[in-house]
Amino acid sequence: GAVVSQHPSRVICKSGTSVKIECRSLDFQATTMFWYRQFPKQSLMLMATSNEGSKATYEQGVEKDKFLINHASLTLSTLTVTSAHPEDSSFYICSARDLPDSEQFFGPGTRLTVL
Amino acid sequence: EDQVTQSPEALRLQEGESSSLNCSYTVSGLRGLFWYRQDPGKGPEFLFTLYSAGEEKEKERLKATLTKKESFLHITAPKPEDSATYLCAVLSTSGTYKYIFGTGTRLKVLA
Repeated sequence: GAVVSQHPSRVICKSGTSVKIECRSLDFQATTMFWYRQFPKQSLMLMATSNEGSKATYEQGVEKDKFLINHASLTLSTLTVTSAHPEDSSFYICSARDLPDSEQFFGPGTRLTVL
Repeated sequence: EDQVTQSPEALRLQEGESSSLNCSYTVSGLRGLFWYRQDPGKGPEFLFTLYSAGEEKEKERLKATLTKKESFLHITAPKPEDSATYLCAVLSTSGTYKYIFGTGTRLKVLA
């Protein structure tokens, strides 16, 4: 099956610093990647959609200057949380798909804790 | 407005006690319906894709079915390792290729 990796799996940072999370599709070309945020015992909340070579499309209420997304290749997307604050602490999950109607494959997630 | 509802919210089963999870959807048009399993602290794991009413997919103890209004995930003779949250997601023909997620069903299978 299709495999999506995320790195790091856990990160702890101080308030005010920036954190970068990588998402890679290991065995297929991901024309579209998604970034989600998940709070405890809740479903996934879509933050943004990125297509390779294009600017990301952010969901309403998501600050694009705070959550920088880059999808520079068909196998790599990055999410940078800039000037992180404790309220940014969460579980961040990426997903990838190759065709518009096809299933998304999810990464294992990144647990971000901001002190 | 496109909407996806899952029921029950939580389910406890004895090992071997078969049951079904429901995913009801109201969308302008269905492109596809997707089932995932999510374990605590992990990303969702893909299970099935269904595209048209009448379609069925099976994998081990799981079977997914689709009608024009809902999908069922049948679990036959579950084992404790089937305990997880099961998520349903829908792709609508509304023009955006984003998932509409249900809130999930938390399944606990007791030994």
